[in-house]
Amino acid sequence: AQKVTQAQTEISVVEKEDVTLDCVYETRDTTYYLFWYKQPPSGELVFLIRRNSFDEQNEISGRYSWNFQKSTSSFNFTITASQVVDSAVYFCAYYGSGGFKTIFGAGTRLFVKA
Amino acid sequence: DGGITQSPKYLFRKEGQNVTLSCEQNLNHDAMYWYRQDPGQGLRLIYYSQIVNDFQKGDIAEGYSVSREKKESFPLTVTSAQKNPTAFYLCASSTGQLSNQPQHFGDGTRLSIL
Repeated sequence: AQKVTQAQTEISVVEKEDVTLDCVYETRDTTYYLFWYKQPPSGELVFLIRRNSFDEQNEISGRYSWNFQKSTSSFNFTITASQVVDSAVYFCAYYGSGGFKTIFGAGTRLFVKA
Repeated sequence: DGGITQSPKYLFRKEGQNVTLSCEQNLNHDAMYWYRQDPGQGLRLIYYSQIVNDFQKGDIAEGYSVSREKKESFPLTVTSAQKNPTAFYLCASSTGQLSNQPQHFGDGTRLSIL
C-alpha cells in the first residue's frame, strides 16, 4: 500500500534561516504524482507544486525549491531565507495511477520567528 | 472570484442530531471531495464524487452521507451514527475525474459537540 511519511512534526526557525521539510513515500506504482500543499492558520490548503514520477528535475519558484529523488523515494521542500509568513502546516501528498484518492502525510508545522 | 465556499465556519452538534455542511464551487470542476482533519494528523478522505449523481466512499465514510445533485454542490451530512464528529472538515475540488490534478480547498468547517 502507498504511504507518505513526514517525519518532522514541528520545526522552528528564525527568520532568514533556510529550512527543509522532508517527505518520504512508499509505492510500487510506476506512474504517480507528488504534491505539496500549504495550510496557513486560516485553514484552507493551498497547492504549491505537483510532480509526476517521470520528471525528476528539481524545481525552484522564488524562495521555494523542491528536490525529487526516486532513488530514495523522497520529495523534499526547501524554503530559503524563511519569513514569518511562511509559518504554516505543510503537507506532502501522493496520488498513484491505480487508485482514486490522494494520500496525505501527517504534515509538518513550521514556525518562523521574527 | 472562482473558488470553493464552505459554510458554516463553525458548527455545533447536539447528541442524536444530524448536521449538514455545505460546499459550493464555481470552478466548473468535475471532482469534489470531503476530508476530515484531526489534530496532528493528515487529511482523511470521507467521500468523493467524480461526476454529478455519483459518489464513492473514502476511508472513513461510516457515519457520514453525501449527495451530488448539482455539479457545483457537494453537501456532507454528519449523522448521529458518527460518534466522534469533532474535527475540521475540508471540502475540495479538482478538474477532471481523477485525483492527479491539484485540488482546490475551501476554508473548512470546524464541528464540535455541545
